[in-house]
Amino acid sequence: DQQVKQNSPSLSVQEGRISILNCDYTNSMFDYFLWYKKYPAEGPTFLISISSIKDKNEDGRFTVFLNKSAKHLSLHIVPSQPGDSAVYFCAADLHGSGNTGKLIFGQGTTLQVKP
Amino acid sequence: NAGVTQTPKFQVLKTGQSMTLQCAQDMNHEYMSWYRQDPGMGLRLIHYSVGAGITDQGEVPNGYNVSRSTTEDFPLRLLSAAPYQTSVYFCASSFTQQGGYTFGSGTRLTVV
Repeated sequence: DQQVKQNSPSLSVQEGRISILNCDYTNSMFDYFLWYKKYPAEGPTFLISISSIKDKNEDGRFTVFLNKSAKHLSLHIVPSQPGDSAVYFCAADLHGSGNTGKLIFGQGTTLQVKP
Repeated sequence: NAGVTQTPKFQVLKTGQSMTLQCAQDMNHEYMSWYRQDPGMGLRLIHYSVGAGITDQGEVPNGYNVSRSTTEDFPLRLLSAAPYQTSVYFCASSFTQQGGYTFGSGTRLTVV
């Protein structure tokens, strides 16, 4: 049972436009969400995170939105650049009530930004 | 500062062989985890640790053992390799749960 789902395996956008990557989760106990970026033959790198007490977090070109009632989060990249082409994973964690150390990932979305 | 170091980078095993995937971090992180990445499945948690001497199972622990005798090291053991364990394995560490995990560069394992 996939608790974190990224239903779009791939996304292609033009350079300079907005990229929107989506993620849904089923476990309402998740209270911390993260996005990771992964290039081929490398490990994932942390991009941005959001706590469930917020609905938006922004870091430069990257903004994550959280809709708790819909159990949905999204990553917006504006403007998109060719170097953003990578696989993006969303992940969720349960840490509000104790130390779990368990990060659950979605399947990933491959973003291609065309020059 | 090396971060998270995984060895080896590539490995081919025969079914039934055993091996240990090494993971070491030099950031004094308490949290460490092992993931496997398979096409269409994303990253799935195998085992994790919240500190030296403490380990627990993740989503897909069968066929894997771990131990955490020191803060720095978190080896993953395959006692009897099977073809379903063909995958790319990533080790990750974090100082706190709120911090993003730092991942190693991965070990590509093939079991024939």
